[in-house]
Amino acid sequence: AQSVAQPEDQVNVAEGNPLTVKCTYSVSGNPYLFWYVQYPNRGLQFLLKYITGDNLVKGSYGFEAEFNKSQTSFHLKKPSALVSDSALYFCAVRSRGGGNKLTFGTGTQLKVEL
Amino acid sequence: DTAVSQTPKYLVTQMGNDKSIKCEQNLGHDTMYWYKQDSKKFLKIMFSYNNKELIINETVPNRFSPKSPDKAHLNLHINSLELGDSAVYFCASSPGPPGQETQYFGPGTRLLVL
Repeated sequence: AQSVAQPEDQVNVAEGNPLTVKCTYSVSGNPYLFWYVQYPNRGLQFLLKYITGDNLVKGSYGFEAEFNKSQTSFHLKKPSALVSDSALYFCAVRSRGGGNKLTFGTGTQLKVEL
Repeated sequence: DTAVSQTPKYLVTQMGNDKSIKCEQNLGHDTMYWYKQDSKKFLKIMFSYNNKELIINETVPNRFSPKSPDKAHLNLHINSLELGDSAVYFCASSPGPPGQETQYFGPGTRLLVL
């Protein structure tokens, strides 16, 4: 079975500071990994994904994430947070080995304050 | 030019009623999904269709029945609504079956069962 853990329900950061939203996963074999963002009363929007190749993935709005196979992590990062980054962030995983389901984490609420 | 659209946006109904939610995508994608997001924002896959064929059918009460009349549409019919069905239901689509494919989400249908 595949699973995703987002250990923090909420992350608070001051505008201009770097931010990290944590994600660890468990799958059989190698994973496909995704980050999605949900703004209030909206659907999820794709941010970035890791498929293969370079472990550092760059995505929309200045976000990036680093795939770390030994730590089974895929933390989301941004060098300088904006108030407009405040939203709910979901990590998701799917095993390459088969099965059709994308499994989402429980979400992390990011709050960026002035 | 909405990519994935859902109707209605809000649905308030009484217990025991039957209701339907409609979803349409104009992205030319082959695969569509229904997700349920509960009050704690936990997101769970319910169903998925690829080229009108059911490929994911999670442990969902059989009161929930998806129907895909064509690749661009995936509707969700719910019989005998219960209080616990109150949630936000998201439709999504992707170019092909889940794998490395990015999923594109609709704005959600907020269902409240009284």
